[in-house]
Amino acid sequence: DQQVKQNSPSLSVQEGRISILNCDYTNSMFDYFLWYKKYPAEGPTFLISISSIKDKNEDGRFTVFLNKSAKHLSLHIVPSQPGDSAVYFCAASFNNNDMRFGAGTRLTVKP
Amino acid sequence: ETGVTQTPRHLVMGMTNKKSLKCEQHLGHNAMYWYKQSAKKPLELMFVYSLEERVENNSVPSRFSPECPNSSHLFLHLHTLQPEDSALYLCASSQDSGGREQFFGPGTRLTVL
Repeated sequence: DQQVKQNSPSLSVQEGRISILNCDYTNSMFDYFLWYKKYPAEGPTFLISISSIKDKNEDGRFTVFLNKSAKHLSLHIVPSQPGDSAVYFCAASFNNNDMRFGAGTRLTVKP
Repeated sequence: ETGVTQTPRHLVMGMTNKKSLKCEQHLGHNAMYWYKQSAKKPLELMFVYSLEERVENNSVPSRFSPECPNSSHLFLHLHTLQPEDSALYLCASSQDSGGREQFFGPGTRLTVL
């Protein structure tokens, strides 16, 4: 049972434009959401998180939006840079229990 | 060394071999995790240790045997694996067990022949 889904395996964006990565979840009990970024030959690194009591969290070029009614999470990167090219994973947890990850979306930012 | 380290980075083994993966965290965290990442699949949580006690075992076959001798070290002992066990094995740590920020190692790319 895949509780966290990233339906787009890949996304290509021009440098300077906005990248929007999407994530859907099925468990309405999830109360904490995270985005991780993974470069080749490295482990995932934490990027940004959001609690279910919020609908937006911003950190520099990265903003995460949470739509609880739609059970939808998105990550906006603006402006996108070539160094942002990586695989992005969303993750969710409930009541501080173990996280469930999506399968990832490969972002390519073209110069 | 800083962060979370894993050795070896690559491992090729036959189905009858016995090998071990090692993970070490230098962050002073209390919880450590093993994940399996197969191609185009979500990360699958295998084991969770909190303060050296195993708190979760997600129906992992017994050919995978974890060991946590102290809060900084985590091992995954491998025995009579199958080709479908070929994957990237990631170790992670966090301040406490649970669904908050985890710090990952670079992973061990395992190939079972």
